Amino acid sequence: DAKTTQPNSMESNEEEPVHLPCNHSTISGTDYIHWYRQLPSQGPEYVIHGLTSNVNNRMASLAIAEDRKSSTLILHRATLRDAAVYYCILFPANSGGSNYKLTFGKGTLLTVNP
Amino acid sequence: NAGVTQTPKFRILKIGQSMTLQCTQDMNHNYMYWYRQDPGMGLKLIYYSVGAGITDKGEVPNGYNVSRSTTEDFPLRLELAAPSQTSVYFCASSYSHPGLLNIQYFGAGTRLSVL
Repeated sequence: DAKTTQPNSMESNEEEPVHLPCNHSTISGTDYIHWYRQLPSQGPEYVIHGLTSNVNNRMASLAIAEDRKSSTLILHRATLRDAAVYYCILFPANSGGSNYKLTFGKGTLLTVNP
Repeated sequence: NAGVTQTPKFRILKIGQSMTLQCTQDMNHNYMYWYRQDPGMGLKLIYYSVGAGITDKGEVPNGYNVSRSTTEDFPLRLELAAPSQTSVYFCASSYSHPGLLNIQYFGAGTRLSVL
Protein backbone atom coordinates (compact mmCIF):
# COMPACT_ATOMS: atom_id res chain seq x y z
CA ASP A 1 0.00 0.00 0.00
CA ALA A 2 1.22 3.52 -0.81
CA LYS A 3 2.14 5.40 2.35
CA THR A 4 1.27 8.89 3.54
CA THR A 5 3.23 11.13 5.89
CA GLN A 6 1.54 13.75 8.06
CA PRO A 7 2.73 15.92 10.94
CA ASN A 8 1.77 14.48 14.31
CA SER A 9 0.10 17.67 15.46
CA MET A 10 -0.78 21.21 14.45
CA GLU A 11 -2.29 24.16 16.23
CA SER A 12 -4.52 26.93 14.98
CA ASN A 13 -6.56 29.84 16.27
CA GLU A 14 -10.28 30.03 15.90
CA GLU A 15 -11.52 31.67 12.69
CA GLU A 16 -8.11 31.45 11.04
CA PRO A 17 -7.34 29.24 8.03
CA VAL A 18 -5.62 25.91 8.60
CA HIS A 19 -3.46 24.08 6.09
CA LEU A 20 -2.94 20.40 6.88
CA PRO A 21 -0.19 18.85 4.74
CA CYS A 22 0.19 15.29 3.54
CA ASN A 23 3.09 13.75 1.62
CA HIS A 24 2.48 10.71 -0.57
CA SER A 25 5.56 10.42 -2.78
CA THR A 26 4.80 6.83 -3.86
CA ILE A 27 1.24 7.53 -5.01
CA SER A 28 0.18 5.63 -8.11
CA GLY A 29 -1.70 7.13 -11.00
CA THR A 30 -4.99 5.50 -9.98
CA ASP A 31 -4.90 6.41 -6.28
CA TYR A 32 -7.49 8.84 -4.99
CA ILE A 33 -6.52 11.07 -2.07
CA HIS A 34 -9.10 10.84 0.71
CA TRP A 35 -9.31 12.83 3.90
CA TYR A 36 -11.22 11.67 6.96
CA ARG A 37 -11.37 13.24 10.39
CA GLN A 38 -12.13 11.84 13.82
CA LEU A 39 -13.67 14.10 16.42
CA PRO A 40 -13.00 13.23 20.08
CA SER A 41 -14.74 10.02 21.16
CA GLN A 42 -16.39 9.55 17.75
CA GLY A 43 -15.88 7.40 14.69
CA PRO A 44 -14.08 8.81 11.63
CA GLU A 45 -16.06 10.81 9.12
CA TYR A 46 -15.38 11.52 5.45
CA VAL A 47 -14.21 15.04 4.65
CA ILE A 48 -13.17 15.27 1.00
CA HIS A 49 -11.38 13.42 -1.79
CA GLY A 50 -9.61 14.23 -5.05
CA LEU A 51 -7.58 12.72 -7.86
CA THR A 52 -5.72 15.47 -9.73
CA SER A 53 -7.66 18.73 -9.54
CA ASN A 54 -8.28 20.89 -6.51
CA VAL A 55 -11.64 20.22 -4.87
CA ASN A 56 -14.01 22.21 -2.69
CA ASN A 57 -16.97 21.16 -0.60
CA ARG A 58 -18.90 22.59 2.31
CA MET A 59 -16.43 21.24 4.84
CA ALA A 60 -13.04 21.98 3.29
CA SER A 61 -10.85 22.40 0.21
CA LEU A 62 -8.25 19.99 -1.08
CA ALA A 63 -5.22 21.30 -2.94
CA ILE A 64 -3.25 18.66 -4.86
CA ALA A 65 0.29 19.27 -6.09
CA GLU A 66 0.84 19.05 -9.81
CA ASP A 67 3.03 15.94 -9.43
CA ARG A 68 0.47 14.49 -6.95
CA LYS A 69 3.20 13.69 -4.44
CA SER A 70 1.63 15.92 -1.83
CA SER A 71 -1.69 17.47 -0.93
CA THR A 72 -3.07 19.98 1.55
CA LEU A 73 -6.40 19.99 3.31
CA ILE A 74 -7.57 23.54 3.86
CA LEU A 75 -10.08 24.57 6.51
CA HIS A 76 -10.90 28.15 5.58
CA ARG A 77 -12.03 29.31 9.02
CA ALA A 78 -11.27 26.91 11.84
CA THR A 79 -13.83 26.54 14.58
CA LEU A 80 -13.57 24.76 17.91
CA ARG A 81 -15.68 21.98 16.38
CA ASP A 82 -12.88 21.31 13.87
CA ALA A 83 -10.54 20.07 16.60
CA ALA A 84 -9.93 16.47 15.57
CA VAL A 85 -7.44 13.99 14.16
CA TYR A 86 -7.22 14.36 10.38
CA TYR A 87 -6.26 11.35 8.28
CA CYS A 88 -4.89 11.49 4.74
CA ILE A 89 -5.50 8.17 3.01
CA LEU A 90 -4.71 6.90 -0.47
CA PHE A 91 -7.41 4.77 -2.00
CA PRO A 92 -7.04 2.86 -5.26
CA ALA A 93 -9.64 3.54 -7.90
CA ASN A 94 -9.58 -0.01 -9.20
CA SER A 95 -11.98 -2.53 -7.77
CA GLY A 96 -11.91 -5.80 -5.93
CA GLY A 97 -11.55 -7.44 -2.58
CA SER A 98 -9.42 -5.73 0.07
CA ASN A 99 -8.82 -2.75 -2.22
CA TYR A 100 -11.92 -1.40 -0.55
CA LYS A 101 -10.30 -1.11 2.88
CA LEU A 102 -9.02 2.21 4.19
CA THR A 103 -5.51 2.20 5.66
CA PHE A 104 -5.37 4.65 8.55
CA GLY A 105 -2.06 6.06 9.81
CA LYS A 106 -1.77 8.13 12.99
CA GLY A 107 -3.02 11.29 11.32
CA THR A 108 -2.57 14.91 12.44
CA LEU A 109 -4.07 16.07 15.72
CA LEU A 110 -5.45 19.56 15.13
CA THR A 111 -5.88 21.77 18.18
CA VAL A 112 -7.97 24.92 17.75
CA ASN A 113 -7.42 27.69 20.27
CA PRO A 114 -10.29 30.06 21.14
CA ASN B 1 -31.20 8.92 9.91
CA ALA B 2 -29.64 6.16 12.00
CA GLY B 3 -26.69 5.27 9.71
CA VAL B 4 -24.38 2.79 11.44
CA THR B 5 -25.43 1.77 14.94
CA GLN B 6 -23.15 -0.07 17.36
CA THR B 7 -24.06 -1.65 20.67
CA PRO B 8 -23.00 -1.65 23.43
CA LYS B 9 -21.17 1.66 23.80
CA PHE B 10 -19.05 0.42 26.70
CA ARG B 11 -18.23 -3.01 28.10
CA ILE B 12 -15.86 -4.49 30.64
CA LEU B 13 -14.98 -8.15 30.24
CA LYS B 14 -13.01 -10.53 32.39
CA ILE B 15 -10.19 -12.53 30.81
CA GLY B 16 -11.59 -15.61 29.10
CA GLN B 17 -15.15 -14.29 28.72
CA SER B 18 -16.85 -14.01 25.36
CA MET B 19 -19.08 -11.35 23.87
CA THR B 20 -20.59 -10.14 20.64
CA LEU B 21 -20.35 -6.56 19.44
CA GLN B 22 -23.39 -5.66 17.41
CA CYS B 23 -23.40 -3.51 14.28
CA THR B 24 -26.31 -2.65 12.04
CA GLN B 25 -26.69 -0.22 9.15
CA ASP B 26 -29.80 1.06 7.45
CA MET B 27 -28.25 2.46 4.26
CA ASN B 28 -28.43 -0.79 2.24
CA HIS B 29 -24.66 -0.80 1.91
CA ASN B 30 -23.08 -3.95 0.52
CA TYR B 31 -19.70 -3.61 2.29
CA MET B 32 -19.21 -3.65 6.04
CA TYR B 33 -16.05 -3.46 8.12
CA TRP B 34 -14.75 -3.88 11.66
CA TYR B 35 -11.80 -1.81 12.82
CA ARG B 36 -10.05 -1.52 16.16
CA GLN B 37 -8.25 1.54 17.44
CA ASP B 38 -5.69 1.34 20.21
CA PRO B 39 -4.84 4.51 22.19
CA GLY B 40 -2.97 7.10 20.11
CA MET B 41 -3.02 4.91 17.02
CA GLY B 42 -4.85 4.78 13.72
CA LEU B 43 -7.52 2.22 12.91
CA LYS B 44 -6.65 -1.34 11.96
CA LEU B 45 -8.98 -3.54 9.93
CA ILE B 46 -10.12 -6.73 11.66
CA TYR B 47 -12.62 -8.25 9.22
CA TYR B 48 -14.71 -7.06 6.32
CA SER B 49 -17.66 -8.30 4.32
CA VAL B 50 -18.53 -7.64 0.69
CA GLY B 51 -22.10 -8.86 1.05
CA ALA B 52 -24.37 -11.22 2.95
CA GLY B 53 -22.68 -14.58 3.44
CA ILE B 54 -19.21 -13.35 2.42
CA THR B 55 -16.53 -12.30 4.90
CA ASP B 56 -12.76 -12.00 4.81
CA LYS B 57 -9.87 -11.28 7.14
CA GLY B 58 -8.26 -7.90 7.53
CA GLU B 59 -4.93 -7.04 9.14
CA VAL B 60 -5.61 -8.24 12.69
CA PRO B 61 -8.23 -11.05 12.67
CA ASN B 62 -6.80 -13.30 15.38
CA GLY B 63 -9.12 -13.73 18.36
CA TYR B 64 -12.22 -12.55 16.47
CA ASN B 65 -14.96 -14.05 14.35
CA VAL B 66 -17.65 -12.49 12.19
CA SER B 67 -20.75 -13.48 10.31
CA ARG B 68 -22.96 -11.68 7.81
CA SER B 69 -26.33 -13.35 7.46
CA THR B 70 -28.15 -10.17 6.36
CA THR B 71 -27.19 -6.99 4.51
CA GLU B 72 -27.92 -4.91 7.60
CA ASP B 73 -26.05 -6.75 10.37
CA PHE B 74 -22.38 -7.56 10.87
CA PRO B 75 -21.68 -8.80 14.43
CA LEU B 76 -18.14 -9.24 15.76
CA ARG B 77 -17.55 -12.11 18.16
CA LEU B 78 -14.75 -12.17 20.72
CA GLU B 79 -13.98 -15.63 22.06
CA LEU B 80 -11.78 -16.00 25.16
CA ALA B 81 -11.18 -12.29 25.69
CA ALA B 82 -7.59 -11.22 26.41
CA PRO B 83 -6.16 -7.92 27.74
CA SER B 84 -4.64 -7.29 24.29
CA GLN B 85 -8.19 -6.90 22.97
CA THR B 86 -8.76 -3.82 25.11
CA SER B 87 -9.51 -1.22 22.46
CA VAL B 88 -12.17 0.89 20.79
CA TYR B 89 -14.01 -0.99 18.07
CA PHE B 90 -15.57 0.75 15.08
CA CYS B 91 -17.97 -0.69 12.58
CA ALA B 92 -18.29 0.94 9.16
CA SER B 93 -20.23 0.41 5.97
CA SER B 94 -20.01 1.58 2.38
CA TYR B 95 -21.61 1.12 -0.99
CA SER B 96 -18.75 -0.19 -3.03
CA HIS B 97 -18.88 -0.88 -6.71
CA PRO B 98 -16.21 -0.75 -9.42
CA GLY B 99 -15.83 2.78 -10.64
CA LEU B 100 -17.70 4.33 -7.73
CA LEU B 101 -16.12 6.20 -4.86
CA ASN B 102 -16.00 4.17 -1.67
CA ILE B 103 -16.97 6.47 1.19
CA GLN B 104 -17.14 4.66 4.49
CA TYR B 105 -19.60 5.62 7.21
CA PHE B 106 -18.62 4.82 10.76
CA GLY B 107 -20.51 4.04 13.93
CA ALA B 108 -19.77 5.77 17.24
CA GLY B 109 -17.68 2.89 18.53
CA THR B 110 -17.65 0.36 21.36
CA ARG B 111 -15.11 0.88 24.14
CA LEU B 112 -14.02 -2.52 25.46
CA SER B 113 -11.82 -3.19 28.45
CA VAL B 114 -10.60 -6.70 29.26
CA LEU B 115 -9.38 -7.06 32.83
